[in-house]
Amino acid sequence: DTAVSQTPKYLVTQMGNDKSIKCEQNLGHDTMYWYKQDSKKFLKIMFSYNNKELIINETVPNRFSPKSPDKAHLNLHINSLELGDSAVYFCASSRYGGESETQYFGPGTRLLVL
Amino acid sequence: QKEVEQNSGPLSVPEGAIASLNCTYSDRVSQSFFWYRQYSGKSPELIMSIYSNGDKEDGRFTAQLNKASQYVSLLIRDSQPSDSATYLCAVNDNYGQNFVFGPGTRLSVLP
Repeated sequence: DTAVSQTPKYLVTQMGNDKSIKCEQNLGHDTMYWYKQDSKKFLKIMFSYNNKELIINETVPNRFSPKSPDKAHLNLHINSLELGDSAVYFCASSRYGGESETQYFGPGTRLLVL
Repeated sequence: QKEVEQNSGPLSVPEGAIASLNCTYSDRVSQSFFWYRQYSGKSPELIMSIYSNGDKEDGRFTAQLNKASQYVSLLIRDSQPSDSATYLCAVNDNYGQNFVFGPGTRLSVLP
């Protein structure tokens, strides 16, 4: 059984388009995250949601909008895609979001903006 | 701005040797420390977590934490070619919500 799943796995699109990435976890966790890993492999947190409520919103352009319909899902919608958005986007979840909580990562979505 | 620093590598060690990976962090309120392994094209997976000063051992892996020096390390004994990956250090603050990852150290274990 997949613990944290993301769709699609690959996404190739043109600049200016709008796209969404979906994430689902079946671990019963309360907290979910979105990370961006750029070409230099730097993994940077974008958003953190706890029980459908936004906890962290790092300095991410407002073209990125997370949506959490329930605590098992955290989707990422991106408007007006730019070349610099090309990266791997990882969804993750943890049980409660406390400081000692392990995060479980999804397989990643490789986004290429042309 | 919290920062986590690691040598980017690559760090090359012969099979069977001890690999030593180092990480420093800037935020003194950091309370939890994690080592993740990431194979090329894959997602990060947790290797070790450590919260108290000293050593923590799990199989071939030992994490060492020194909060006074703001330093955390990972030792891999009897390194195997399958250990070749990028190792990411991550720290979490007292509030638990803000994981900060280092840039990762690429380890290559040569057969």
